[in-house]
Amino acid sequence: DTEVTQTPKHLVMGMTNKKSLKCEQHMGHRAMYWYKQKAKKPPELMFVYSYEKLSINESVPSRFSPECPNSSLLNLHLHALQPEDSALYLCASSQGLTGTSDSQYFGPGTRLLVL
Amino acid sequence: AQTVTQSQPEMSVQEAETVTLSCTYDTSESDYYLFWYKQPPSRQMILVIRQEAYKQQNATENRFSVNFQKAAKSFSLKISDSQLGDAAMYFCAYRITGGGADGLTFGKGTHLIIQP
Repeated sequence: DTEVTQTPKHLVMGMTNKKSLKCEQHMGHRAMYWYKQKAKKPPELMFVYSYEKLSINESVPSRFSPECPNSSLLNLHLHALQPEDSALYLCASSQGLTGTSDSQYFGPGTRLLVL
Repeated sequence: AQTVTQSQPEMSVQEAETVTLSCTYDTSESDYYLFWYKQPPSRQMILVIRQEAYKQQNATENRFSVNFQKAAKSFSLKISDSQLGDAAMYFCAYRITGGGADGLTFGKGTHLIIQP
């Protein structure tokens, strides 16, 4: 089973709202990722968690706050977003093993619209 | 910084024909991994094929194969016997080795159209 699930599928929020995106995998993977994808563009890395610790933060604004409660779950907390943050947010996971061609498996994404 | 370049924004091929998508990359690393991902209009990103830089043999997965030229930093994807279900955006991606959790660097993508 190579399934990564994400909820919700769609989200509309105002600039003053607080919302969360959720990602879950049951493949025993120890690395999880958040990517942001604007329309007709490639995904851009936001955060990487390795063994539940934040290992990479690609200078993402503080209005995005990641959380990894356990090895299967990854959240992205959103607060005071801007309209330009509207995008498809993709979660991915991988085994997280050093020195391997460790493939990343993606979820279907959450389509976010900020009004 | 590593960069990945896909010079073909869009490609079109007749069903059952063969098509090759181009990808070049720039890196100073000697060990790395390369991937092709497919993203159909339904948006789920699906891994198509991967290649380890230390392997000379080109990877193949059924109708999909790569031509990996390490010296030229080229990594093209060949799709044989194209099917309607192959229509999608195809992204070439790069990852360094070393740590087990590293993000992917993607090219801008090639939109593949399959003509029936």
